[in-house]
Amino acid sequence: GAVVSQHPSRVICKSGTSVKIECRSLDFQATTMFWYRQFPKQSLMLMATSNEGSKATYEQGVEKDKFLINHASLTLSTLTVTSAHPEDSSFYICSARLSGGYSYEQYFGPGTRLTVT
Amino acid sequence: GQQLNQSPQSMFIQEGEDVSMNCTSSSIFNTWLWYKQDPGEGPVLLIALYKAGELTSNGRLTAQFGITRKDSFLNISASIPSDVGIYFCAGQLRNTGNQFYFGTGTSLTVIP
Repeated sequence: GAVVSQHPSRVICKSGTSVKIECRSLDFQATTMFWYRQFPKQSLMLMATSNEGSKATYEQGVEKDKFLINHASLTLSTLTVTSAHPEDSSFYICSARLSGGYSYEQYFGPGTRLTVT
Repeated sequence: GQQLNQSPQSMFIQEGEDVSMNCTSSSIFNTWLWYKQDPGEGPVLLIALYKAGELTSNGRLTAQFGITRKDSFLNISASIPSDVGIYFCAGQLRNTGNQFYFGTGTSLTVIP
């Protein structure tokens, strides 16, 4: 149980276009989902906290207009990278927190590799 | 975001050896987690700690929540080749939401 999927697993897009990444909790409900960004050989940096039915909370330094987050249901959160640039190329990972569970019970997706050319 | 420092940054050990790594912060944390990440994949939870002084084991892995709440360590006994990967600590701050902040990571290489 507690499987989180991400789609797509890899995406290559041209500079200036927008890309949407989906994060789904497959067998549980997740009131809260988190989006992280990871550069090669570096740690996971929390970008934003996504709560179902409300606006996402962004970490300091993360542009909310550039990284649009929508958490429309208890099993789906989306991250849209708008007007992507090469510096947005990164590994994006989501995690989903089990609703009603302990706060540490968050499960990670397999990640999405974004390459902007 | 919060800064969690892990050490060592990388380790190269012989199969069968024990491993020890730690994570420190200037902030007080409510919960500590340890994750393992394989290349190109998301982190997988190894151990969760939510009480100061707590010592928890998961097979060959043992982790402790520091008394000061500002640190944690992870030990791996009798390492095997599949232990290879990057190990991250993550902490949840007191009096904040559900966010976890990740450490800088320890890269482990096990030489057969």
